[in-house]
Amino acid sequence: AQTVTQSQPEMSVQEAETVTLSCTYDTSESDYYLFWYKQPPSRQMILVIRQEAYKQQNATENRFSVNFQKAAKSFSLKISDSQLGDAAMYFCAWTGGSEKLVFGKGTKLTVNP
Amino acid sequence: DAGVIQSPRHEVTEMGQEVTLRCKPISGHDYLFWYRQTMMRGLELLIYFNNNVPIDDSGMPEDRFSAKMPNASFSTLKIQPSEPRDSAVYFCASSSRLAGFIETQYFGPGTRLLVL
Repeated sequence: AQTVTQSQPEMSVQEAETVTLSCTYDTSESDYYLFWYKQPPSRQMILVIRQEAYKQQNATENRFSVNFQKAAKSFSLKISDSQLGDAAMYFCAWTGGSEKLVFGKGTKLTVNP
Repeated sequence: DAGVIQSPRHEVTEMGQEVTLRCKPISGHDYLFWYRQTMMRGLELLIYFNNNVPIDDSGMPEDRFSAKMPNASFSTLKIQPSEPRDSAVYFCASSSRLAGFIETQYFGPGTRLLVL
């Protein structure tokens, strides 16, 4: 069965600094999608960034970028110039040939002023 | 374009009562998912639909839970009778399939359910 592992239950970063959240996954499939979702205290699940496995180029969205290492099955999220509004739970998720999303258990990010 | 709409946003009820949660997916999306989130179990997929047809309900905890999708723009998740252990945040999400792969799932704001 596919699994997604986020090894850091909690992380903290100083405002304006850079932080990297880790995610690894286990799959035997060659084509799949990976996602990072953000869940602030409001509990809304917000898509941060998406990566297609067949693309070698790492996805970026403004201050958010990923380091996708397909051979290592690693998908980390880098947040640059951290802002107070980035404080949230961050979930890594994977989907392959089926419609189901497999989620990690999340990383709680604290941003210190 | 409106996102996924869920109602109510908060629900407080007493044990034994029937609870109905509602969801309107993004227009044009043909997949609809119901999730439950608790501290203990994290995010759990309960059931999902494709073109209004339930595809996989293996995550539905027990017979007290039922879900319907009478048309492409509306779905309900019903709990009858409700129990305190059903207290959770329930999310609805929708997506579509593109080039053989499911596209991004977009989540609604969630319904926070408290069963006393």
